[in-house]
Amino acid sequence: AQSVTQLGSHVSVSEGALVLLRCNYSSSVPPYLFWYVQYPNQGLQLLLKYTSAATLVKGINGFEAEFKKSETSFHLTKPSAHMSDAAEYFCAVSDARAGGTSYGKLTFGQGTILTVHP
Amino acid sequence: DSGVTQTPKHLITATGQRVTLRCSPRSGDLSVYWYQQSLDQGLQFLIQYYNGEERAKGNILERFSAQQFPDLHSELNLSSLELGDSALYFCASSALDTQYFGPGTRLTVL
Repeated sequence: AQSVTQLGSHVSVSEGALVLLRCNYSSSVPPYLFWYVQYPNQGLQLLLKYTSAATLVKGINGFEAEFKKSETSFHLTKPSAHMSDAAEYFCAVSDARAGGTSYGKLTFGQGTILTVHP
Repeated sequence: DSGVTQTPKHLITATGQRVTLRCSPRSGDLSVYWYQQSLDQGLQFLIQYYNGEERAKGNILERFSAQQFPDLHSELNLSSLELGDSALYFCASSALDTQYFGPGTRLTVL
């Protein structure tokens, strides 16, 4: 079984400060990992993904994440927070079957609400 | 815009009723997934279809069912509704390793 733990249900930063949202996963197979963002009253938007290529993954809006197998982590960072980054962020792991034509369900963490102060 | 559409956007109904949620995947995507988002359970996988066939089941209640039609759109049917079924229901579609989510249907059971 797969699981995801997001450390910190709420993170608050000042505008211009570093954003660090933590995600640890558990998976019995090499994982595919994702970060999604959800703005109020909207759906989930893909920020970035790791699918066994480069361990440092760059996404949209200046976000990036690093896959660390030894730490079973996939933390999300952004060097300088903007007010528009305020949202809820979800880390997810997939039970994808590599080489298949169908990719598996996502198991999500509980989410981290990011607040950005002026 | 992810290219995944869901209707209706909001649904308000009473306990014991039945509703149908509709999802149209991105053009060319064969896989459709349904998820439920609630305050107490978070985001939970319900069911997956691939090209009309059920592929995987998650924490889906027996009162819930889904299907995927030949044109690849999918419907999630929720029956004998209870207050606890109030939630945001998302549909996602994928071609390969990435799922793209629709805007969701917010279901309120009164």
